[in-house]
Amino acid sequence: GDSVTQTEGPVTVSESESLIINCTYSATSIAYPNLFWYVRYPGEGLQLLLKVITAGQKGSSRGFEATYNKETTSFHLQKASVQESDSAVYYCALGDGATGGNNKLTFGQGTVLSVIP
Amino acid sequence: GPKVLQIPSHQIIDMGQMVTLNCDPVSNHLYFYWYKQILGQQMEFLVNFYNGKVMEKSKLFKDQFSVERPDGSYFTLKIQPTALEDSAVYFCASSFLNYEQYFGPGTRLTVL
Repeated sequence: GDSVTQTEGPVTVSESESLIINCTYSATSIAYPNLFWYVRYPGEGLQLLLKVITAGQKGSSRGFEATYNKETTSFHLQKASVQESDSAVYYCALGDGATGGNNKLTFGQGTVLSVIP
Repeated sequence: GPKVLQIPSHQIIDMGQMVTLNCDPVSNHLYFYWYKQILGQQMEFLVNFYNGKVMEKSKLFKDQFSVERPDGSYFTLKIQPTALEDSAVYFCASSFLNYEQYFGPGTRLTVL
């Protein structure tokens, strides 16, 4: 079946250091995978951080970026310089682009990120 | 940004009873979803719903589960009867047509 695997947390990084959270996917039943990063800040609901629906493209938001690599089936999340406010749980997710709006998502297990000031 | 609300935030119930989880989706959204997350595990898709009908459901969506959105009000997930393995956080989401799902904060269901 379809699956997503991401960096096992928790991840602890000092402020202004770089960050990478790995994400790999397996899309056995999906012809056109869409890839997403969601984030849950403390006390808040899950919110979309960035999305990429075309292989080879890069998405970016709030200083984070991720490139959809079809060859390596990866969608790693990177940031050059993290801030304390980036402390949150990050989820990589896989969707089926062929189904349009009824796009059920397959989630990774989530990676807890703590940024130390 | 757009908000999805879920009521209640926490529900404790005895095994065998019925429970209804309520979701107030974003007002102009057309697609609705429920996901389930057992403590320590991944969030998993349960069901999606459009135009008054279930479009797709996973194997987690047991016969005891049902969803509806009567008269454009709350989108509800009903479990009747509940079982111990139904204890989890249930997340509602809604979307228009642009792939982006907006999630609620979740309802933590504890079945005793």
